[in-house]
Amino acid sequence: DAGITQSPRYKITETGRQVTLMCHQTWSHSYMFWYRQDLGHGLRLIYYSAAADITDKGEVPDGYVVSRSKTENFPLTLESATRSQTSVYFCASSEGVGAGTGELFFGEGSRLTVL
Amino acid sequence: AQSVTQPDIHITVSEGASLELRCNYSYGATPYLFWYVQSPGQGLQLLLKYFSGDTLVQGIKGFEAEFKRSQSSFNLRKPSVHWSDAAEYFCAVGTGFQKLVFGTGTRLLVSP
Repeated sequence: DAGITQSPRYKITETGRQVTLMCHQTWSHSYMFWYRQDLGHGLRLIYYSAAADITDKGEVPDGYVVSRSKTENFPLTLESATRSQTSVYFCASSEGVGAGTGELFFGEGSRLTVL
Repeated sequence: AQSVTQPDIHITVSEGASLELRCNYSYGATPYLFWYVQSPGQGLQLLLKYFSGDTLVQGIKGFEAEFKRSQSSFNLRKPSVHWSDAAEYFCAVGTGFQKLVFGTGTRLLVSP
């Protein structure tokens, strides 16, 4: 099915472990994003990508790594998970054409708990 | 820096009553403005967006929003709320490179 999918949907890990959250989209959208959602903060941008092999930091990038070797995939890695990274993570994509529509299409989220 | 303020954390509305959710933004240029809705356990879905032109924009599910430049506001309205509208609503402003800056959200509760 077309769309944007995230995996895993739920993950429990321990402090210090490496965790990778996967994001896959079938629309061939140029732009992809990772947001985290926390109570009282709304959604905050972690990293984004304008195209394959082009990534840039968002508002809260510390402790996270991203890559984009293929247009359709945008994995997010927590190299050494901390309790403060317990959150719900959303991947999103956008066409990003010149008119700058800006409409984001979101996945269903990945709930990560770091013990 | 761009920012979005949603002053109401929670709002309770009776079913059938009208709704207005407030949103104020800070952005130096002409903004792109959005309202998204998030149902429990789900991702965000676009309700409506404003880029230019008519300042009153219509969205899905009977929602509308009005852009008021003088007040830096983009309030969301619905004339008659249904129980299924209970959700969290996010206002966002679009910046360069397709990035959106979101507000902290308003949770809408609908009472019978």
